[in-house]
Amino acid sequence: GAGVSQSPSNKVTEKGKDVELRCDPISGHTALYWYRQSLGQGLEFLIYFQGNSAPDKSGLPSDRFSAERTGGSVSTLTIQRTQQEDSAVYLCASSFQRERDTQYFGPGTRLTVL
Amino acid sequence: DAKTTQPNSMESNEEEPVHLPCNHSTISGTDYIHWYRQLPSQGPEYVIHGLTSNVNNRMASLAIAEDRKSSTLILHRATLRDAAVYYCILIGNQFYFGTGTSLTVIP
Repeated sequence: GAGVSQSPSNKVTEKGKDVELRCDPISGHTALYWYRQSLGQGLEFLIYFQGNSAPDKSGLPSDRFSAERTGGSVSTLTIQRTQQEDSAVYLCASSFQRERDTQYFGPGTRLTVL
Repeated sequence: DAKTTQPNSMESNEEEPVHLPCNHSTISGTDYIHWYRQLPSQGPEYVIHGLTSNVNNRMASLAIAEDRKSSTLILHRATLRDAAVYYCILIGNQFYFGTGTSLTVIP
C-alpha cells in the first residue's frame, strides 16, 4: 500500500519505561507530522518536520518527548520515562507541503502506560 | 486562548444539508483553513481546505467569510456515513485545532 504506516499498532508499557513509535510516510512527502489523541479528546499537535529544516517542536508536552526523521523519510517518536498520562493514540501524517496540501494520516499507535 | 472554536455537537437528518461552523477570529493572513473528519476508531481524513475563496469538492463545500474570521463546512446531503467528528484546523506558521464537532445523522 502507498499510505502512511505506523508501528506498532498497539503498545503496552510500564510506567517509567521508554518507548519508540515509528512512522513511514508516503513516498515523496516532505512534510511529516506527529499528533496525539487522548481518549475522547481532539487532536493535539506534537511536532512537524519539513525537508531538511529544523523541526517545529512547539507542541511537544515535555522534554521526555523527542522525535527524529532520518533521511527525510522514516520518523521515530520517542517517549522517555513514560507516565500514565502519556496513554493515547499517537497519529502520524504526511503531506507534500505544510499549508496547502492534504495531510494523509496513518492508523495510529495506541499507547497504554500501566 | 482558543484559536478556533466549534460547537461540540450537531445533529442532522439524513439527506438534508449540514452547515458546520468554525470561528477563527485571530487567523493570520498566511493561515490555511483545513477541515478533517474522523470516523470512530479511524485516523482523520481530509475533507477540504481553502485560503480566501470558497471551495467545492466532491465531498463538501467550504464557505469562508470575507474577513476570514469564520468558515462553514457544508455537506450538501448528509448520509449516515457522514457521522463523524469534524475538525477545523488552521495551518500556517503554527497549528491551531478546533475541538471538533461530533455530527450525528438521523435516519
